[in-house]
Amino acid sequence: GDSVTQMEGPVTLSEEAFLTINCTYTATGYPSLFWYVQYPGEGLQLLLKATKADDKGSNKGFEATYRKETTSFHLEKGSVQVSDSAVYFCALRGYQKVTFGTGTKLQVIP
Amino acid sequence: DTAVSQTPKYLVTQMGNDKSIKCEQNLGHDTMYWYKQDSKKFLKIMFSYNNKELIINETVPNRFSPKSPDKAHLNLHINSLELGDSAVYFCASSPMDQNYNEQFFGPGTRLTVL
Repeated sequence: GDSVTQMEGPVTLSEEAFLTINCTYTATGYPSLFWYVQYPGEGLQLLLKATKADDKGSNKGFEATYRKETTSFHLEKGSVQVSDSAVYFCALRGYQKVTFGTGTKLQVIP
Repeated sequence: DTAVSQTPKYLVTQMGNDKSIKCEQNLGHDTMYWYKQDSKKFLKIMFSYNNKELIINETVPNRFSPKSPDKAHLNLHINSLELGDSAVYFCASSPMDQNYNEQFFGPGTRLTVL
């Protein structure tokens, strides 16, 4: 079946540091890939997505590229802010089903 | 506001009780979901409905029963609550059951079973 593997957290960074959260997947067919963000006490919200190989999703300074050859969708941001502190979920959507990674908690300190 | 809403936001109850969580979306979406998030933030799909029809029913105890009176509502009823049911339950919706569509999540219902 489909699966998503994310790097374990928590990840602690200083403000303005570079962020990478790794995500790899296994899937049959041609899934779409997503990053969702969950702020404390809230539901998940879409951060960015890519629907086919080599697509790059971007939003709020975050980027991720759908790499079919390495089955990866790593999330990056050049300069994190305290307000980016949240839990980040990588997700794969195939036929009728969404599979989430285990989430990576990011804490950004001033 | 257009959104996915859930009630109640918090639910504290005793073991053995029966409780319901309601979910409504006014986004005009065809597909709705229930997820359970445990204390380690792990998110697990429970059910998925497309136009009021059940399409995903993961390995969930029979004590959990979803009900979709119309495509804008998906309620979750839980019988004989157990300690292990304590979690945050999220409702979500998406425009169509196509793999390029993202999901829109409600704010969650934190269930505590004592």
